[in-house]
Parts: sequence; C-alpha cells; structure tokens
Amino acid sequence: GQQVMQIPQYQHVQEGEDFTTYCNSSTTLSNIQWYKQRPGGHPVFLIQLVKSGEVKKQKRLTFQFGEAKKNSSLHITATQTTDVGTYFCAVWTTDSWGKLQFGAGTQVVVTP
Amino acid sequence: DTEVTQTPKHLVMGMTNKKSLKCEQHMGHRAMYWYKQKAKKPPELMFVYSYEKLSINESVPSRFSPECPNSSLLNLHLHALQPEDSALYLCASSLPTGNTEAFFGQGTRLTVV
Repeated sequence: GQQVMQIPQYQHVQEGEDFTTYCNSSTTLSNIQWYKQRPGGHPVFLIQLVKSGEVKKQKRLTFQFGEAKKNSSLHITATQTTDVGTYFCAVWTTDSWGKLQFGAGTQVVVTP
Repeated sequence: DTEVTQTPKHLVMGMTNKKSLKCEQHMGHRAMYWYKQKAKKPPELMFVYSYEKLSINESVPSRFSPECPNSSLLNLHLHALQPEDSALYLCASSLPTGNTEAFFGQGTRLTVV
C-alpha cells in the first residue's frame, strides 16, 4: 500500500520563525491531505491537494504538492504559539478504498 | 452539524471487563472508521464501515468487535483487553467516495488496568 514518510518528526521553533514539514512517497499519489492535532485533541482536516504542482494557502500556511505527485510540504511563516501541535500528512490509498493512512507526523513546539 | 461525537471521553477498564465505545454523526456520511492512536504516534486504522457494512478489518484482534447499527452510529465493543490496548480510540466519518475530508471525533482515552 501507499506509505508516506514525514520529516522532521520533531520541530522546535522560536515564535516568529518559519518552518517546513515534508512528506515523501516512493509512489505517485492520487491526493494528499494535511491534518493538525493539538495536544490532547483530535486530528482536524486542514487541506487536500490533488493536482500536480498545486499550491494552496491558508493565512500563514502554504501547502504544496510536488510536480511528480510524490511529495508535499507544509510551510508556516511567522510561527505563533497557536501553531503548537502535530501536523500529519495523510493519503487515501488506491489499493484498498477506504483507507486513510497517516504519516508519522511532525510535532511542533513553539517557544515565545 | 459537522461534529462526530464520541462517548465516553475517558474509560478505565479491567482486563476482564466488557465495555463499549460509541460514536455518532449526523452529517449523512456513509463511511465510518475506528482508529487507534498511541502516544506520539499517528492514528492507525482499525476498521472501516461503508454503508453500514464492514469493509476493512486491519487484522484487529477479536477482543475488539465493531458494530454499525445504523448510518449515524458506530460502536466498538471491548472484551478481555490487555494493558497494551490502552490508547486514544478515534472515530471518524466521511463521504463514502474516499479522497475527501475525514471528520474525527474527540476520541475515547482508554486505560486498561
């Protein structure tokens, strides 16, 4: 099945700095999604990317889908304490419909 | 209403107990899921229900028994669990087409003693 590798697994960021988390696959992906899970919370959907080279922005968050549809990134500018949490990429597998599989996640800690 | 509601929020059970986790959604989603999440790990898929029928069982031990009594409800029956089954159990729902947003409940934090 499709598997996505996510890096880094941990990111310590100073408030106001930028950071990027990456998801990579050895196979071509039909889509990729991003979720955020706050400490003690549950995953919340952020965005879905479907098209090759797609770029979507949500305020300070920029999501990209690679031209080959094998990688994706989430870039956050001017990090705030509200950005604390774990960011997961996730894919709906094509070999078995109904399986939403998650990357390992990037845990983000923000210091004021 | 874009909520998935799970009860209870916390559960402590002994290894000989029988308990059930409940999940409810009123978004008309005909796909519902159970995930298990250990600390600092991603959610791991356990079961998928599509149109109230079990479509995927990810080789989950039989001490976990899912049930989908109708299109809004999803249960997970627990029996003779082990301490290593302690985890956050997340319910999710989505349109049955895949490639769509999944809505997660707040989860049940289960401790097996």
